[in-house]
Amino acid sequence: DVKVTQSSRYLVKRTGEKVFLECVQDMDHENMFWYRQDPGLGLRLIYFSYDVKMKEKGDIPEGYSVSREKKERFSLILESASTNQTSMYLCASSSPALARSSYEQYFGPGTRLTVT
Amino acid sequence: AQKVTQAQTEISVVEKEDVTLDCVYETRDTTYYLFWYKQPPSGELVFLIRRNSFDEQNEISGRYSWNFQKSTSSFNFTITASQVVDSAVYFCALSENPSNTGKLIFGQGTTLQVKP
Repeated sequence: DVKVTQSSRYLVKRTGEKVFLECVQDMDHENMFWYRQDPGLGLRLIYFSYDVKMKEKGDIPEGYSVSREKKERFSLILESASTNQTSMYLCASSSPALARSSYEQYFGPGTRLTVT
Repeated sequence: AQKVTQAQTEISVVEKEDVTLDCVYETRDTTYYLFWYKQPPSGELVFLIRRNSFDEQNEISGRYSWNFQKSTSSFNFTITASQVVDSAVYFCALSENPSNTGKLIFGQGTTLQVKP
């Protein structure tokens, strides 16, 4: 069974703290993604990675950074958390675009982050 | 520019009613994929279906059916005889092309509430 896991389901942090959200997949996928989900806005891509140590900005990268040191792990970092980063964060992974299951993304359960 | 629009923000039906969720997309690509995902209250997005742009055959899977019409750029999703367990947020998505990164463009989501 394919699996994407996220380190926490719920997280409460204070303004200014550095926050790490971890995502691990066991499907040997090359591509990994971080989204945030807010009511009425759908899923917005923050960053994605198509290989180890490779990363690209998504639609809303400001205030975030990422790290991918190993193929199975993709970390999202909030350098200095702010209240407007209170949101649901979803991690996903997928095979390369030319693979048989092209573009199908597998999602983790999400982390609901509250910044106070 | 590529875009996915789910005009219905929320839909409420009574159990056993049929319901159709609309999805309209914009793309200039000739090759693309369309997806539907379900997000139950637990939070994890679950893959439902993928269609490629060359296959306009409608698909049925149990109580679920999908109507893909390139002429109107629509990929609508119908649930027949809805059940309470169908209550969820449903997302339509479009593959971003050309891309080797497997990025998806998501609609804003439609919240479906099925009342007993």
